[in-house]
Amino acid sequence: GQNIDQPTEMTATEGAIVQINCTYQTSGFNGLFWYQQHAGEAPTFLSYNVLDGLEEKGRFSSFLSRSKGYSYLLLKELQMKDSASYLCAVLDSNYQLIWGAGTKLIIKP
Amino acid sequence: ETGVTQTPRHLVMGMTNKKSLKCEQHLGHNAMYWYKQSAKKPLELMFVYSLEERVENNSVPSRFSPECPNSSHLFLHLHTLQPEDSALYLCASSALRTNTEAFFGQGTRLTVV
Repeated sequence: GQNIDQPTEMTATEGAIVQINCTYQTSGFNGLFWYQQHAGEAPTFLSYNVLDGLEEKGRFSSFLSRSKGYSYLLLKELQMKDSASYLCAVLDSNYQLIWGAGTKLIIKP
Repeated sequence: ETGVTQTPRHLVMGMTNKKSLKCEQHLGHNAMYWYKQSAKKPLELMFVYSLEERVENNSVPSRFSPECPNSSHLFLHLHTLQPEDSALYLCASSALRTNTEAFFGQGTRLTVV
């Protein structure tokens, strides 16, 4: 079956760095997405990786290793507003998005 | 504001009621989706429409019935739901059904009593 694994919850301190991991086993691969979802709000797009390596976008970076079936989302200089759930999703060979359950990130002052 | 609007935001319905959820996008996207989001579970894709044609139906019970009258509007008709259907229902759209980012609506929080 198809599977996306990410930690259920993480806690970090304001101003610090946190890395949220995502491992996947899917039938084919056409890219990996990260979305941010604040409580009670819509998920919003953060990043898309289809080639191996690191993609940097401001305070957020996303890394992909296709051979390892692994990605991470790196958040730097954490702010209180970064408290949210972070969803990892993989586009399989049928262009269907397979979603992880999300990682709830709690930022403490 | 993501450009995708869902109504209502909250809905409480009895198991014998019939109701409809509405989704609207004016982003010029060709694909629209219905997802179910339950607490601590992955997003479950329910239906996909591409160019107003249904292309995915992931074994969703027939008490959920989608309708896509045009490329900007998507409905989810509900009837004789069960308490376990209580969840957040999210609509999304994307330019293409392939590797483009999806824009989500705020969702409808559905409670079946």
